[in-house]
This record gives sequence, structure tokens and C-alpha cells, in this order.
Amino acid sequence: QVQLQESGPGLVKPSQTLSLTCTVSGGSVRSGSYYWGWIRQPAGKGLEWIGRVYTSGTTNYNPALKSRVTISLDTSRNQFSLRLNSVTAADTAVYYCARENAFRSGYCIDYWGQGTLVTVSS
Amino acid sequence: EILMTQSPATLSVSPGERATLSCRASQSVTSDLAWYQQKPGQAPRLLIYDASTRATGISARFSGSGSGTEFTLTISSLQSEDFALYYCQQYNDWPKTFGQGTKVEVK
Repeated sequence: QVQLQESGPGLVKPSQTLSLTCTVSGGSVRSGSYYWGWIRQPAGKGLEWIGRVYTSGTTNYNPALKSRVTISLDTSRNQFSLRLNSVTAADTAVYYCARENAFRSGYCIDYWGQGTLVTVSS
Repeated sequence: EILMTQSPATLSVSPGERATLSCRASQSVTSDLAWYQQKPGQAPRLLIYDASTRATGISARFSGSGSGTEFTLTISSLQSEDFALYYCQQYNDWPKTFGQGTKVEVK
């Protein structure tokens, strides 16, 4: 059973960088069959894709966030990470890490982390 | 960006009754459509992928249909554990986008 667990600071100051790590157990981020991604959800609102990384290191970012986002893999630790620069209060949200699996039509999320609340405030 | 629109925003249903949730895409996503269930304080859970295939361990009460721009999630006989928030998500094009959700509540 694959499990994902987010970790990182719960409070970030405006203009600073949000950094989160997702630790994967029960599976390997080296596997060529999966993408590893980040999604966020502001309180009381819907879900927004941030971006994803493939085993090769290839990334896809949401154009709305692309200028501020970096997602990377650490295969030695079986982790992947998110960095979001120049944060504002609008970046306050629950952040989920997730695994995308390949199905007949394409890749979609089959496993999610529990989520971690990140608040941007001074 | 493909806009996903779910209706209704809230659906009030009695236990044992059928619930029908709709999801519309602003352009064709073929069958690249998933449904997720989310309960308060929990991560979403995959119910349906490829528009109509149930994920592993998902009850046969849940069924998905549709293709192109119109999709439906049907819950055949609502159980207490089914009252939750439901999202559709297209994965045909990047960025992948979610609908705003349908809350299924007890009538």
C-alpha cells in the first residue's frame, strides 16, 4: 500500500518561500510508471493543481504558478518536494502531495497524502 | 485551461435514494475524467477514472458515465458514508482542472 506524507513549515511569512516535502513509502519515486505531484486547496474552496514531476525529472507546472514553482525529486530519500516563491496570503491552503498513475486514457491521481495546512502570515 | 462545471452545488438526498451528479467540460476531454470523494478533514479518494471505471475497492453503488463534455456520477442507493463532497477532474489537458464540487447532504 502506497503512502504519502507531507512535511514542512505550517507558517510562512509573506514574500518568503514555501517549502514542502513528500515522503513516499510502499513504492518508489524511481518507478517509470508514475508522476508525483502537488495540489492545493484553500479553505472552503476547490482543488488546484500546482505541478508534477516524472521519474526522469521532467516537470509540468500550472501556468498560473509557473514563474514561482519548482518541483523536484530526491530518489535517494524516496521523496519529492515543492518550492513556491514570493508567497502571499492567497497561497494559504492545504497542500496535498499525490501520485498519478497511468490508466487507459491517461494519468490521474490514485493516491493522496493527508494534506498539510500552510498559512502565509507575518 | 479547461473549465469544469459541476451541478448542482448541493444535492439533498434521503438515505437509500439515488443521487445523480453532473460534470460538464468547457471542451472535449474524451474519456479523461475522474471522480473523487472528499470528506471533511480528509484527502480526496479516487472513485472513478476513465469516466466509467471504478477504482480498486470502490463499491458498485458508484457508477460513472459520459464522454466528451458531459459526465455523470450516479450513486445508486445512498449509504450514510456516502454523504460527502464530490469532485470531477479532467486529465486530458494540462493544467488538469477540477470542478468546484457537489456536496451530497442528508435530506
